[in-house]
Amino acid sequence: DADVTQTPRNRITKTGKRIMLECSQTKGHDRMYWYRQDPGLGLRLIYYSFDVKDINKGEISDGYSVSRQAQAKFSLSLESAIPNQTALYFCATSDPGPNTGELFFGEGSRLTVL
Amino acid sequence: KNQVEQSPQSLIILEGKNCTLQCNYTVSPFSNLRWYKQDTGRGPVSLTIMTFSENTKSNGRYTATLDADTKQSSLHITASQLSDSASYICVVSPHTGGFKTIFGAGTRLFVKA
Repeated sequence: DADVTQTPRNRITKTGKRIMLECSQTKGHDRMYWYRQDPGLGLRLIYYSFDVKDINKGEISDGYSVSRQAQAKFSLSLESAIPNQTALYFCATSDPGPNTGELFFGEGSRLTVL
Repeated sequence: KNQVEQSPQSLIILEGKNCTLQCNYTVSPFSNLRWYKQDTGRGPVSLTIMTFSENTKSNGRYTATLDADTKQSSLHITASQLSDSASYICVVSPHTGGFKTIFGAGTRLFVKA
């Protein structure tokens, strides 16, 4: 089994629908992240969490929310999806932190908003 | 503005040939630079990491170099294999108290038989 697991892997939805992407990890890391990847652009940080009670906005948090349900679980929600949120979303973990530590990514969740 | 630029955007080479990918960054102050490999449909996986004081790091057929004075890094792939076909992403971390890791857009490498 993968160390960082994302569900669903693929999702097609309609504008205005609420969507949740889930991430679970078995690496025992405290730090978890949600990134968005668009063609021709570098990965961009949406939200990150350094422990269960910690939530921080990244550079593109508008239109997204997150929940850190446990050390191993970090979910990303789109309250009202719009077409420009169509992208590939990655969850990642690190320990002690990405400034020195390696990021471990999930397999990605491809979201299409019609 | 902290930026990471990679070139070329894409590259096609024949199996067995060598290639070099480039990364220029304007991130300051600098903590470390990583190269990641991203296979199609998969998440990125770290290949190498270099800190300010290191100027070369190898991982099998992959060799990364760093010139902190000119803020340039390169990833050299020797004797390419079909499995090297992937995107290669340069990632720079500034030495700050927060979290500001910056990703390049990647170089898409195609290795043909």
